[in-house]
Amino acid sequence: SQQGEEDPQALSIQEGENATMNCSYKTSINNLQWYRQNSGRGLVHLILIRSNEREKHSGRLRVTLDTSKKSSSLLITASRAADTASYFCAPAGNMLTFGGGTRLMVKP
Amino acid sequence: DGGITQSPKYLFRKEGQNVTLSCEQNLNHDAMYWYRQDPGQGLRLIYYSQIVNDFQKGDIAEGYSVSREKKESFPLTVTSAQKNPTAFYLCASSPTGVGSYNEQFFGPGTRLTVL
Repeated sequence: SQQGEEDPQALSIQEGENATMNCSYKTSINNLQWYRQNSGRGLVHLILIRSNEREKHSGRLRVTLDTSKKSSSLLITASRAADTASYFCAPAGNMLTFGGGTRLMVKP
Repeated sequence: DGGITQSPKYLFRKEGQNVTLSCEQNLNHDAMYWYRQDPGQGLRLIYYSQIVNDFQKGDIAEGYSVSREKKESFPLTVTSAQKNPTAFYLCASSPTGVGSYNEQFFGPGTRLTVL
């Protein structure tokens, strides 16, 4: 399965700190996407990194991709309480598949 | 406003009843998807459709049915055959078919509770 598996499952940090979430997958991909879900809401697309890219930035987000290790990481810098949410990686081959996510809590 | 809508937000059902969850999009997207999410879990694909009048089973299609008579609409019926239907249901759409790797746009979800 190309389903992503996020690590850690839960992360609690103080406002202003950086948050790093990792994703591993098993098969070849065309791209890998990260989504965010606030409690009880739908998912929102954050960023897409293609298989031939190694790093991508969007605002306070930094995503890396290592296809040789079949892994990706999402870094949120200078976190805010409003960043509290679940974050999912979605490896994209023929289909997007979603893992269990990382539940991030940012304490004010 | 462009977007994807789901209704109702909350739905209660008695055991043995079929219920239909609505999903509508005005994004002119070809592909639409239904996912199920259980508490603290990820998303599991129920059904998807790449084009009108065509749909495919996902990983957990048993006990569910769908139709795609219009590009804008992809309703999901949870039948009495679904043994554990209480969950959060998410509908999504994407600009092209499932092989295009595009981002998916999600609706706000429907929380179904079986009493």
